[in-house]
Amino acid sequence: EPEVTQTPSHQVTQMGQEVILRCVPISNHLYFYWYRQILGQKVEFLVSFYNNEISEKSEIFDDQFSVERPDGSNFTLKIRSTKLEDSAMYFCASSEARSSKEKLFFGSGTQLSVL
Amino acid sequence: DQQVKQNSPSLSVQEGRISILNCDYTNSMFDYFLWYKKYPAEGPTFLISISSIKDKNEDGRFTVFLNKSAKHLSLHIVPSQPGDSAVYFCAASENRDDKIIFGKGTRLHILP
Repeated sequence: EPEVTQTPSHQVTQMGQEVILRCVPISNHLYFYWYRQILGQKVEFLVSFYNNEISEKSEIFDDQFSVERPDGSNFTLKIRSTKLEDSAMYFCASSEARSSKEKLFFGSGTQLSVL
Repeated sequence: DQQVKQNSPSLSVQEGRISILNCDYTNSMFDYFLWYKKYPAEGPTFLISISSIKDKNEDGRFTVFLNKSAKHLSLHIVPSQPGDSAVYFCAASENRDDKIIFGKGTRLHILP
C-alpha cells in the first residue's frame, strides 16, 4: 500500500536554529499538508499546498515557517529560527483531491525537540 | 479555542463489548465529520466519516452517529477487539476549507 514517508523520525535542534522536515507524499497525490501535535494537545493544521503554492494556512504558520516542493517527489517544511514551543510531532499528509478528506493519508511524523 | 472536544481522555472496555467514544463540536458551519485512529509511532489513519446531511453511517463494526441539534457525534465499535486499542481522534471540517479540525483524542484500551 502506498504511504507518506517522513524523515527524520526524530530531530533535535538548538533554539534559534533552522530545521527542515522532509516528506515524500504518495506519488499521484496533488494536495499536501502539514499538521502538528504538541504533546498532550490536539493535532493542529498548519498549511495546505497545491499547484506549487500555499492554498490555506493557519495562524500558527507565521513568517518563521515555509513550505516547498523542491522537486517532483519531496515536500518540505522549514522552520527558520526554532523556538522552544515549536517542539511537537509534525505530520505530513497528502490527498488526491482537495475534497477527499477521508482519503487524507498521514505520514508517521517527525518528532521535533527544540532545546 | 476548542471547536472539537473529546472530553474523555481515556476509556477502557472489555473485549467483545461495545466501545462508545463521544465528541462535541461548537462550530455550526462544520458539515463533515471524521474519526481517525492512531497507533503509537504512526500517523492518524482514517476510520469513518459522516456528512452533516446524515445522522448515521455504518462500516462493519464501526458506526458513527451525528446529532446536529446537540452538536454531538459518537463512534460505536461493536464488538470491541484487542486491535482496537489506540487513540481515536474526532475531527470536523467545513466543505470549503482544506483544513480538518481535530479533537485532543481519546485513548481506548480494550481489556482481555
